[in-house]
Amino acid sequence: DGGITQSPKYLFRKEGQNVTLSCEQNLNHDAMYWYRQDPGQGLRLIYYSQIVNDFQKGDIAEGYSVSREKKESFPLTVTSAQKNPTAFYLCARTPLTAPGDYGYTFGSGTRLTVV
Amino acid sequence: AQSVAQPEDQVNVAEGNPLTVKCTYSVSGNPYLFWYVQYPNRGLQFLLKYITGDNLVKGSYGFEAEFNKSQTSFHLKKPSALVSDSALYFCAVRALNSGNTPLVFGKGTRLSVIA
Repeated sequence: DGGITQSPKYLFRKEGQNVTLSCEQNLNHDAMYWYRQDPGQGLRLIYYSQIVNDFQKGDIAEGYSVSREKKESFPLTVTSAQKNPTAFYLCARTPLTAPGDYGYTFGSGTRLTVV
Repeated sequence: AQSVAQPEDQVNVAEGNPLTVKCTYSVSGNPYLFWYVQYPNRGLQFLLKYITGDNLVKGSYGFEAEFNKSQTSFHLKKPSALVSDSALYFCAVRALNSGNTPLVFGKGTRLSVIA
């Protein structure tokens, strides 16, 4: 898994329900990211975090929330305020030292479907 | 602001023929450039990167990319395509001296290699 694990692989949400997607990494990397992928739209940044207890909004943060209480975990909550949550969600990690040298390592993704 | 353009949504090529997947970018200053590949229902996998040095970068699975500063391009190439190369390809960029700003991804190009 490249040191980063996303769960569950598939998730179904009812209208008006909050759901939480898990992302865990075991390589002590500082920076973690959440992207949303929709067909034909590429990857869009939701939130990212570079240190514990701190995170920044990306381009499409509305309707989402995150926490970074410990370095290895960066869960994403899709709230009922997100009106169109059906998508493929990707988590990534990178070390802060020379992040460009390593690029990102991605998890295998969570496919969220509203039912 | 950083941006990436992948002008082709789909590229079709016959097996054994050379392939090119196009990418142009816009950053302030020098770029970090990356190519990733995605297979169905999986996360993105790193293919290759350009930071500094030779304009021709070699990566995984026989892929290479040519950095052209004057044309702000970073096209992905392979001399002889395989059916197994069929996948979704993403170009990504960030500025070399932008601190730790997140990578910006293109919308992706779907490569179809026909036997």
